Parts: sequence; C-alpha cells; structure tokens
Amino acid sequence: AQRVTQPEKLLSVFKGAPVELKCNYSYSGSPELFWYVQYSRQRLQLLLRHISRESIKGFTADLNKGETSFHLKKPFAQEEDSAMYYCALGTEGNTGKLIFGQGTTLQVKP
Amino acid sequence: DVKVTQSSRYLVKRTGEKVFLECVQDMDHENMFWYRQDPGLGLRLIYFSYDVKMKEKGDIPEGYSVSREKKERFSLILESASTNQTSMYLCASIGGGSFSYNSPLHFGNGTRLTVT
Repeated sequence: AQRVTQPEKLLSVFKGAPVELKCNYSYSGSPELFWYVQYSRQRLQLLLRHISRESIKGFTADLNKGETSFHLKKPFAQEEDSAMYYCALGTEGNTGKLIFGQGTTLQVKP
Repeated sequence: DVKVTQSSRYLVKRTGEKVFLECVQDMDHENMFWYRQDPGLGLRLIYFSYDVKMKEKGDIPEGYSVSREKKERFSLILESASTNQTSMYLCASIGGGSFSYNSPLHFGNGTRLTVT
C-alpha cells in the first residue's frame, strides 16, 4: 500500500537549534516526494520537492530510497519557521495526485 | 499567480442538510482535488477530477459526491451532512499533461465546515 508516515505530531525546538522533521514512505515504484508547509492563517504551499535538490528558506531534504525516507532538515531554526509541515508522495504523474502524511507541527521557541 | 478560491471560509450546517462546497481556479488547470484536513490524520483525498465531467474516488469518498460541469469549477457535495463530516475542506488544482509534478499543487484557503 502507498503510504506516508510522519511519526511526530509536534516538534518543539529553540531558535537556533537544528531541526529534522521525519518522513517515511511506502511505495514500490519510483516516488516523487514533496514537503508542503502551512503557516498560520495561510494556505498550504509547496516548500520543496526532491527532484529539484534545492534549499528553500534554509531547508533541505534528501531522498533515501534504501530507508524510504525524505526527512526535512534545517541547521538553525528561526521563529518564522513555526508552521505545520506535510510530507507528500506522488505516484501518478499524469494526474498530480498526492498522498499526504499526518503532518508535523514545528514550534520554534524564542 | 494561480488563484484557487473557495466560496466560504466558514460554514455551519445541521445534520441531514445537503451541503455544497464550491471551488474555482483561474489557471485553466485540468486536475482538481478535494481533500479534508483533520488533526492527526493529515490530508485525505475525497475525490479528484482530471477533466470536465470526469471524476475519480479518492481514499474517503463515502458520504460525498462531486460535480465538474466547467473546467474552472469543482464542487463537493455532502448529500446528507453528518457530525463526523465536521472538518476543514481544502480544494486544490494542478495542470495536467504528461508530468503534472513539474508544477506545485495550488490550494485554496479552505472551508471550515461544522455540522451540528
């Protein structure tokens, strides 16, 4: 079965601390992986996708096919990073359909 | 900039009512989606549509139906609302073609539905 698992409901860190939001997926084919973010009172938006291999707002994520993981990392958290983060799996490129994880709330304390 | 507009931000309905949630996008996108967002459960796909009058069930279609009469508009219908359908509903759209994942999924602001 195709599935995305984010084991942490809430991750709370202090400003300046490293952050790692975990994401594991289950899919036998070649996956497309994404991180979406929802800031308070804003709509859900794309943060980054694995294929572009870029850093957005200091965040990076590496696809590890052996461990079926796509963890989101940032070396130094900022208060403005506080948001809900969703990992998403794409398996149907012609439809754009995504399977989302349960979401992790990141709280960055001053 | 792509705009996905959901007609209502908040809705309060009674059990048994028929409820319509409307979504309009202005980018000529082929594919549109309805998700519900619940704490601890994330986003779950209810229905999606890849063309006018075409629809496919998602993971949790029970109790819902959809309508896509025009390309820009995708409606979610709760035939007889129940309290367990109290949730945040998100509409999204993306362009079609051979590889949709080249573009991001664009979301609306959401409709928070309360069924009493």
